[in-house]
Amino acid sequence: EDQVTQSPEALRLQEGESSSLNCSYTVSGLRGLFWYRQDPGKGPEFLFTLYSAGEEKEKERLKATLTKKESFLHITAPKPEDSATYLCAVQARRAGSYQLTFGKGTKLSVIP
Amino acid sequence: EPEVTQTPSHQVTQMGQEVILRCVPISNHLYFYWYRQILGQKVEFLVSFYNNEISEKSEIFDDQFSVERPDGSNFTLKIRSTKLEDSAMYFCASSEAPEGGYTFGSGTRLTVV
Repeated sequence: EDQVTQSPEALRLQEGESSSLNCSYTVSGLRGLFWYRQDPGKGPEFLFTLYSAGEEKEKERLKATLTKKESFLHITAPKPEDSATYLCAVQARRAGSYQLTFGKGTKLSVIP
Repeated sequence: EPEVTQTPSHQVTQMGQEVILRCVPISNHLYFYWYRQILGQKVEFLVSFYNNEISEKSEIFDDQFSVERPDGSNFTLKIRSTKLEDSAMYFCASSEAPEGGYTFGSGTRLTVV
């Protein structure tokens, strides 16, 4: 069974205080690892897909990295508008299966 | 930027009633999905749909659930006889290809009373 564990559950940062969110996963062959942002009462908003260990992707203040067991979402000099829940999901390399398995998310609060 | 549109945004229904949740996927996308999120819990996969048929479904997607693409633009999720435990946010998503990121809609909050 595919499993995704995210830590911490919640994180409070001062504006400008950089940090990292962790996503540990267990999957029988990884097709892709996904990061989404979710605002309250909204659907997940796609951020990144990572496909292989060593891969990195960047978007504004966010940088995602991938190893064989975990992924990190690094947030550099965050702003209050970065406050959201960040979700990690994996897609297993199984014939005919493309479903995403999500973690519970990390709720990020950035204080001005 | 293209969006996935879901209606209604909030639906309240009595236990045992049928509900239909509606979605308009992005027009050039071929793969469609329903996920749900019970309050405080993970986003969970329900079903994927391609070429007018279900391509994959989870254990949650039992005989009470069905999906349909009644025309060229809409994609619907029907729950035949709602239970209290069906209360959740239901998200529709679509994608050009099954690999890669999906675009999710804003969701329908279903409350069963």
